[in-house]
Amino acid sequence: DVKVTQSSRYLVKRTGEKVFLECVQDMDHENMFWYRQDPGLGLRLIYFSYDVKMKEKGDIPEGYSVSREKKERFSLILESASTNQTSMYLCASSLYGDYTNTEAFFGQGTRLTVV
Amino acid sequence: GESVGLHLPTLSVQEGDNSIINCAYSNSASDYFIWYKQESGKGPQFIIDIRSNMDKRQGQRVTVLLNKTVKHLSLQIAATQPGDSAVYFCAEKESSASKIIFGSGTRLSIRP
Repeated sequence: DVKVTQSSRYLVKRTGEKVFLECVQDMDHENMFWYRQDPGLGLRLIYFSYDVKMKEKGDIPEGYSVSREKKERFSLILESASTNQTSMYLCASSLYGDYTNTEAFFGQGTRLTVV
Repeated sequence: GESVGLHLPTLSVQEGDNSIINCAYSNSASDYFIWYKQESGKGPQFIIDIRSNMDKRQGQRVTVLLNKTVKHLSLQIAATQPGDSAVYFCAEKESSASKIIFGSGTRLSIRP
C-alpha cells in the first residue's frame, strides 16, 4: 500500500514562529503536493513538486515555501506563522511519468493552530 | 480563473437509496474529472475518474456522468450504505499538468 506520512497530526504554534510541516512517501512517486483544507473552500493547492529540488507555485503560495531535497520527502515551511494560516494541511503524492494519472495519495493531515 | 464547485454543501440520504452528488466546473481545458472521498479524520481517497471524451463511467456501486455542454459532473452511489458517509470532492486535471484542482466538497450523511 502507498503510504504518505505527515510528521504531526496536531500542531500549535505562536504567531511569528517559523513552522515546518514534514511529509514522507514510500512509493517512489515523483509528484508531491501540499494543500490546505478549510471549511467551505475545499482543498487549495499551495505548492507542488515534480522532482527533487523542483517546485511550482499553486494557487495560494503566499506566506509559504517548500523544500524537496530527497525524492521521498516534501516539506512545507511557514516563514512567519500568522493566525490566518490556521488550517488543515494535507500532503499528497502521485506518479509523474503518466500525464493521465489522476490518483493522488494523501496523508492523514496536520491540523495547525496558530495562536 | 479555474474553479470547480459544487451545487450543494450537504446531502442527506436514506440508507439503501441512491445518492447523487453534483458538481459544476469552469475549466474547459480539463481532460480528466475525478471524484475523491474523505472520511472523518483521513485524507481524501480516489474513487473514480472520467476522461473528457466520455459521458459515463461505472465502477463498483458508483457511476460518474459528465455533461460537457453544461459543464456538469455527477457521482451516483447505488444502494447507499453507512460507510458511504463522507465528504465528496470533485476535481479536475489537465493532461499537460501534474496538479489536481479540487472543489469545495459535499458532505453526504446517511439516515438509518
